[in-house]
Amino acid sequence: EMQLVESGGKLVEPGGSLRLSCAASGFTVSSNYMSWVRQAPGRGLEWISLIYRGGGTYYADSVKARFTVSRDDSKNTLYLQMSRLRAEDTAVYFCARDNVVITTSGSLSHYYYHGMDVWGQGTTVTVSS
Amino acid sequence: SYELTQPPSLSVSPGQTVSIACSGDNLDNKFVCWYQQKPGQSPVMVIYQDTKRPSGIPERFSGSNSGNAATLTISGAQAMDEADYYCQAWDSSTAGVFGTGTKVTVL
Repeated sequence: EMQLVESGGKLVEPGGSLRLSCAASGFTVSSNYMSWVRQAPGRGLEWISLIYRGGGTYYADSVKARFTVSRDDSKNTLYLQMSRLRAEDTAVYFCARDNVVITTSGSLSHYYYHGMDVWGQGTTVTVSS
Repeated sequence: SYELTQPPSLSVSPGQTVSIACSGDNLDNKFVCWYQQKPGQSPVMVIYQDTKRPSGIPERFSGSNSGNAATLTISGAQAMDEADYYCQAWDSSTAGVFGTGTKVTVL
């Protein structure tokens, strides 16, 4: 069974830092695209970061230059390093697998997105003094 | 940045059909997914690649995508379908932005 388990969420003061972890089982993190998604209290889902299979990263403008996504292949774990935290970063943070199927025809690659098909249970980050 | 707009709320009587719209520029050039989220739970994908249902998702859930709008339809809504629904758009040059979300009430 494929599973994701987040940890690391806690109360932190504005301007502080925090690292979230997302441990995977049943599949290999490094072979997949992986996203972090957050949900502020009473609000909708917000995609915030992506790490590609090759290790490249992509961020939403709201967290760019403050958050860093990485992974430890030996631990099959995804991380989100958060710095310069603000009150508006208060949210439940989910990690999810982006199921991307890539086919190659000659020199062309075709990408087929099969959605975020595995989600963790979420971890809560509260930024407050 | 790319934006997806959904109606904030919809209501449906049990057994009836409800359609949730998701609008965005040239949306049919992207892959659209739909997620269901119940209170206190993680999202669950109910549609991917515009029209496909993951294993275990009931046939009453269907999707379409044309032009600037995608639609999730629940045919024969049940009480268990009461939830928040989010569309998501993805292409290979950007990541997946979510829609604003729609609260579906079955009453």
